[in-house]
Amino acid sequence: DIQMTQSPSSLSASVGDRVTITCQASEDISTDLNWYQLKPGKAPKLLIYDVSKLQTGVPARFSGGGSGTEFTFTISSLQPEDIGTYYCQQCDKLSPITFGQGTRLEIK
Amino acid sequence: EVQLVESGGGLVQPGRSLRLSCAASGFTFDDYAMHWVRLAPGKGLEWVSGISWNSGHIDYADSVKGRFTISRDNVKNSLYLQMNSLRAEDTALYYCARDSRPSIRGGVFDFWGQGTMVTVSS
Repeated sequence: DIQMTQSPSSLSASVGDRVTITCQASEDISTDLNWYQLKPGKAPKLLIYDVSKLQTGVPARFSGGGSGTEFTFTISSLQPEDIGTYYCQQCDKLSPITFGQGTRLEIK
Repeated sequence: EVQLVESGGGLVQPGRSLRLSCAASGFTFDDYAMHWVRLAPGKGLEWVSGISWNSGHIDYADSVKGRFTISRDNVKNSLYLQMNSLRAEDTALYYCARDSRPSIRGGVFDFWGQGTMVTVSS
């Protein structure tokens, strides 16, 4: 199975800060990489798919990049409603779906 | 509006069975593959199982293979997960998720339910 190594595991930042999370795949997954946001008591939300495509309705301050094995997720200007846990996920066609370990994001 | 509502969770003893359901509405159910994903306490997300739009392609995580069975009823717009021989490590919040494509090889989960909690304990 493809292993996804996500970092950092937790992050504390101020409103307005630029925040970046990285995700490394154990093998080349081309652009089969998605990002999700989880909040307690709510349905998880798809933010970015196919590395950099913004899901409908997701604010433009969220973005993604990378290819192959190295990927990034960025919030350009952190807002209070962005607190939660973020996960990367690979969906390579020849391998079981796997997620990163998650990044817990808090406001300073 | 797309809605996915899970039910059937609860407290169950090790070795027993439980059947989860997911009621879908707001979209043409048989146009999409569906999946179960779980979140164990203190751990990360884990994909559990997926089923294609016509049940022709089914897959499981190794951790549940042989114990869990996924199925769907496209007339009732419902997804199911039959969980047998439950273990303590199956304790988790179980989410139903829609794949953005008919095939389970799509892997982009564009809508999720809020989950149903399964606790396996004696």
